[in-house]
Amino acid sequence: GDSVTQMEGPVTLSEEAFLTINCTYTATGYPSLFWYVQYPGEGLQLLLKATKADDKGSNKGFEATYRKETTSFHLEKGSVQVSDSAVYFCALSGGSGNQFYFGTGTSLTVIP
Amino acid sequence: EPEVTQTPSHQVTQMGQEVILRCVPISNHLYFYWYRQILGQKVEFLVSFYNNEISEKSEIFDDQFSVERPDGSNFTLKIRSTKLEDSAMYFCASNARPPRTATTEAFFGQGTRLTVV
Repeated sequence: GDSVTQMEGPVTLSEEAFLTINCTYTATGYPSLFWYVQYPGEGLQLLLKATKADDKGSNKGFEATYRKETTSFHLEKGSVQVSDSAVYFCALSGGSGNQFYFGTGTSLTVIP
Repeated sequence: EPEVTQTPSHQVTQMGQEVILRCVPISNHLYFYWYRQILGQKVEFLVSFYNNEISEKSEIFDDQFSVERPDGSNFTLKIRSTKLEDSAMYFCASNARPPRTATTEAFFGQGTRLTVV
């Protein structure tokens, strides 16, 4: 079945450091890929998405490219801020089923 | 900006008791979901709901679980007789279009933390 494997956390970075959170997927069909973010005390918010191979999703300085050849959708940001501290979830939908499949989430803490 | 709202934010219940988790999806959305996340584990799909019936459910969604859209705005998840292992964060979500439609994304609520003691 469809699944998402996400880099284990927690991750702690200094402000302005470069961030990469790895995500790989297994799916049949042509899924869409997503990164959701959960700030403390809040729900899951869509951060960015990509709907087909080689698409790049971007938002708030974060980027991820849909790589079909490596079945990956790694999240990157060139310079993180304290306000980026949150839990990040990689997800896919539209493969074999109608549901979303999530990774385990990666907790990011950015220190000043 | 429209949002999915869930109540309560935290519920503590005794084992064996019934609980109802409530959700108000975005008003023009047609597809509704419940997910849960046991602490430290993946966000897991429970059930999807469309046109007043369940369209898909996971193995987790057994006879102890039920969903309902009682009044056209609320979407509820009922657990009839809670077990310790039901303790988790429960997320409600809604879509305007079917998940297999390109570019669609689900909008999630802030979650209800259920603690069974």
